[in-house]
Amino acid sequence: DQQVKQNSPSLSVQEGRISILNCDYTNSMFDYFLWYKKYPAEGPTFLISISSIKDKNEDGRFTVFLNKSAKHLSLHIVPSQPGDSAVYFCAAATGNQFYFGTGTSLTVIP
Amino acid sequence: KAGVTQTPRYLIKTRGQQVTLSCSPISGHRSVSWYQQTPGQGLQFLFEYFSETQRNKGNFPGRFSGRQFSNSRSEMNVSTLELGDSALYLCATSLFQNSNEQFFGPGTRLTVL
Repeated sequence: DQQVKQNSPSLSVQEGRISILNCDYTNSMFDYFLWYKKYPAEGPTFLISISSIKDKNEDGRFTVFLNKSAKHLSLHIVPSQPGDSAVYFCAAATGNQFYFGTGTSLTVIP
Repeated sequence: KAGVTQTPRYLIKTRGQQVTLSCSPISGHRSVSWYQQTPGQGLQFLFEYFSETQRNKGNFPGRFSGRQFSNSRSEMNVSTLELGDSALYLCATSLFQNSNEQFFGPGTRLTVL
């Protein structure tokens, strides 16, 4: 049973525009959320995270928003750059258990 | 500082065989977690080792096992391979147990024929 879902397997965005990647979860016990970025033939790298006590966390061009009532998480990338083209995984954690979405492949078109 | 290394990078096995994968953590990292990544299921947690002890286990059958050595290197073993075991196996390491920041290795691509 998939507790973390990324319903859009792919997304294409023009360079300079905003990329919005979405993630939904089902377990209200999750208390920490993360985004990972993965290039082909490499392992995922940690991008940004947010605790359940916050609703927004910003790091440079990356902002993560958390809507606990809707059990929804999103990652905004502004402005998008061609180097951002990768697969993005969201993850939710409770205790030391991590649950990952299936990933969204982002293509930033120059 | 060297990153997480996994060996081998690619492996082809046949059904019924067994396989051992290796993960060497970043120097100083004592926690090693293993994940299976498949297109349909995403990243699924297998188990976590810390100080040579399995601390947590995901929902996988007993054919999947692991261990951790005193130098924090970890191995994962899958016995009686099935076609559905074909996947990318990732290990992730962190300084401490229960750390929310994990550093992933490049993975081992296992193909079961």
